[in-house]
Amino acid sequence: KAGVTQTPRYLIKTRGQQVTLSCSPISGHRSVSWYQQTPGQGLQFLFEYFSETQRNKGNFPGRFSGRQFSNSRSEMNVSTLELGDSALYLCASSSPQGDGYTFGSGTRLTVV
Amino acid sequence: KQEVTQIPAALSVPEGENLVLNCSFTDSAIYNLQWFRQDPGKGLTSLLLIQSSQREQTSGRLNASLDKSSGRSTLYIAASQPGDSATYLCAVPQRKLIWGLGTSLAVNP
Repeated sequence: KAGVTQTPRYLIKTRGQQVTLSCSPISGHRSVSWYQQTPGQGLQFLFEYFSETQRNKGNFPGRFSGRQFSNSRSEMNVSTLELGDSALYLCASSSPQGDGYTFGSGTRLTVV
Repeated sequence: KQEVTQIPAALSVPEGENLVLNCSFTDSAIYNLQWFRQDPGKGLTSLLLIQSSQREQTSGRLNASLDKSSGRSTLYIAASQPGDSATYLCAVPQRKLIWGLGTSLAVNP
């Protein structure tokens, strides 16, 4: 079965711009969660969506937002980009059966 | 509050060695524990998932054990190869995944 698909793979943006990242989960998975990974901070939880509802949220400023569509695809948006937003953004999907998380290949965002 | 610790932070071994990576967690009330591998600049690849009711899981040269009472999991890699070089992370779910900082493994030919 197809895995978790994240697009785009790479992005270069300028400070102050906004960006939208996309994640398509494994078919049948309704839970999608997002993580930010930086060398200094490791993996940090952004938010989780389940059936189009945000179920959990990490400690990130309001510039970071997300949504989930009826087909379980999710997007995250970062507005007013800062240099510190440069990171690898990872999306994971999981099923209610508790068979763990499957991650996508990530989107590498560089803010210049 | 769940905390996950991985030791060692880095490991360099010659090819062919058997090795053990350690993961410890502070709250033993876990649902499961998952081991991941990450190659530089890449996403996370799930290696093994151990449910709380299980003691160990095996996949090829990898074996992961879980001891909830002591708050520990180990990932055993048999006959290591240069292709095993990567960062290995463990995580437990608690409304979100709680991560260790990983063990960076280098297997030298």
